Amino acid sequence: SQQGEEDPQALSIQEGENATMNCSYKTSINNLQWYRQNSGRGLVHLILIRSNEREKHSGRLRVTLDTSKKSSSLLITASRAADTASYFCATVMDSNYQLIWGAGTKLIIKP
Amino acid sequence: DTGVSQDPRHKITKRGQNVTFRCDPISEHNRLYWYRQTLGQGPEFLTYFQNEAQLEKSRLLSDRFSAERPKGSFSTLEIQRTEQGDSAMYLCASSLNRGLPYNEQFFGPGTRLTVL
Repeated sequence: SQQGEEDPQALSIQEGENATMNCSYKTSINNLQWYRQNSGRGLVHLILIRSNEREKHSGRLRVTLDTSKKSSSLLITASRAADTASYFCATVMDSNYQLIWGAGTKLIIKP
Repeated sequence: DTGVSQDPRHKITKRGQNVTFRCDPISEHNRLYWYRQTLGQGPEFLTYFQNEAQLEKSRLLSDRFSAERPKGSFSTLEIQRTEQGDSAMYLCASSLNRGLPYNEQFFGPGTRLTVL
């Protein structure tokens, strides 16, 4: 079974708006990563947040991590049409170095 | 392009046939991973290599599946006696690990397998 669950499963917003996606997981982790997947570029790593970090920024991306709630959120600000993609969270546990994936959030940015 | 490459990009085969996929990782990366992804789902881990050693295999990897990384560079994934349930996107990823679990993986474009 997959570790993470993204919420919502699908999200459609207007260009320029902010998009927020959430991820919940089941076991304690070493780090959590967000990836983007679209048909043009495949799976691309966006950002990694370690279990001792609470917030991280990268350009228009902001990721938060709440280990007490076993949840993370990904915020994309000022969305663009090119942000249309599926977004996945993946966790790495201390006991092994595998990435365990959620089912993803499908984001559509309407022009 | 120095990213991860996979070949072929698409494969259509008849049930019962054997297929083999190839993955060329980023050259200095010591870890190589295989995943399977079906529509609407995230990738599912199949197996990974540290250099030429296959360190872990998922229970998803039945005895019809075999993977090799003979010289610690490229890898092959073979599926014998394919079944329709094997239809999926097969993803390869590589990473450079120096003993730390900060495991950013770089993915190839995938091989889409369709079993008729």
